[in-house]
Amino acid sequence: DSGVTQTPKHLITATGQRVTLRCSPRSGDLSVYWYQQSLDQGLQFLIQYYNGEERAKGNILERFSAQQFPDLHSELNLSSLELGDSALYFCASSSQTGLRNYGYTFGSGTRLTVV
Amino acid sequence: ILNVEQSPQSLHVQEGDSTNFTCSFPSSNFYALHWYRWETAKSPEALFVMTLNGDEKKKGRISATLNTKEGYSYLYIKGSQPEDSATYLCACATTDSWGKFQFGAGTQVVVTP
Repeated sequence: DSGVTQTPKHLITATGQRVTLRCSPRSGDLSVYWYQQSLDQGLQFLIQYYNGEERAKGNILERFSAQQFPDLHSELNLSSLELGDSALYFCASSSQTGLRNYGYTFGSGTRLTVV
Repeated sequence: ILNVEQSPQSLHVQEGDSTNFTCSFPSSNFYALHWYRWETAKSPEALFVMTLNGDEKKKGRISATLNTKEGYSYLYIKGSQPEDSATYLCACATTDSWGKFQFGAGTQVVVTP
């Protein structure tokens, strides 16, 4: 157990629907990062939060949004789902941000299948 | 967006053999290079973080080197064992990346008995 908890582990939903992925960072970590891994692609950075504030954004679609709550857990909301959104979504946490980030602790991922 | 590339995409190794593979990255604004080990159905686990040119890190039979001037890192596995089978990811952080990493697509290593 890495200490980063992601739920659910698996999700199957229909096109056009909306889902919420949840992440609880390792205790003491203030930064949360969301990554997407599609078939045959590397981990693609989506968005980063630090202590409740958005710090960096990657190629995140407008249909996707995220937030980090006061208790530091984060949610990634995916709406108007398309078949191409099927992927493994990872959450990672770290204690610092910026240049003081010396590495991530990853959750086990949420496997999203859009049918 | 940084272009972090890993090669080969996959490799098969006989148990007991040694192997190595590459991660290449742009050398401008370089800050740190991370290696992660990702076993099937598990989450990626940190192996090494290296920041200085010429850095070498070792963990058991796995070691890594870093050349920041030419923009590459090698990961070596000595005397491969079946439990070394995994995807090895490298990730690069730059001075302007605000703590987010750019990952390569990974090298999948399969060690056969």
